[in-house]
Amino acid sequence: QAGLTQPPSVSKGLRQTATLTCTGSNNNVGYLGAGWLQQHQGHPPKLLSDRNHNRPSGISERFSASRSGNTASLTITGLQPEDEADYYCSAWDSSLSDVVFGGGTKLTVL
Amino acid sequence: QLQLQESGPGLVKPSETLSLSCTVSGGSISSGNYFWGWIRQPPGKGLEWIGSTSYSGSTNYKPSLKSRATMSLDTSKNQFSLKLTSVTAADTAVYYCTRASEFDYWGQGILVTVSS
Repeated sequence: QAGLTQPPSVSKGLRQTATLTCTGSNNNVGYLGAGWLQQHQGHPPKLLSDRNHNRPSGISERFSASRSGNTASLTITGLQPEDEADYYCSAWDSSLSDVVFGGGTKLTVL
Repeated sequence: QLQLQESGPGLVKPSETLSLSCTVSGGSISSGNYFWGWIRQPPGKGLEWIGSTSYSGSTNYKPSLKSRATMSLDTSKNQFSLKLTSVTAADTAVYYCTRASEFDYWGQGILVTVSS
């Protein structure tokens, strides 16, 4: 079962902007923030943004993360076909002493 | 560039112990204040954190797996490992090793099937 809540799917058009959300609680997202991972079918996940909203080297500026209260968001601008993937958020949960993930959002680029 | 590679058997019998290793290249597991961890993904499902361990000896496990999981580091081989006892079909998954806490480097993953 997922500890964080993500919409199962989001569909957007080519070159449009998609905002993916991840809702948690004061014990996880609201505590230390959330990281974002991208996973293409058959491949390992790739870090897009850490809990402090830093992008690793090589990650496009089209990906940006933010947080408001207990909800984290990942905004992807100028959608490209290669952005079609599953996106997961993750956070440390201080009450569970556990790393919790969202169930993932499947992004479709139309 | 840091690279991680999982190794171990792809098939484990129920009630036996799953043992995996992760070999790190391009950097030392004993440098920096990093944790090294394991995450699994059942076929067609989402990600599940198993736990992580550090060179300093600090280890954290997912509470529901704590009684069955053991992680350790072998600095001489620049490897870290996972042992999961008393496995069942529910433990069938792709197992990834990763550099925690931000999960910024990942292995390619290894599919472990629990079946007799």
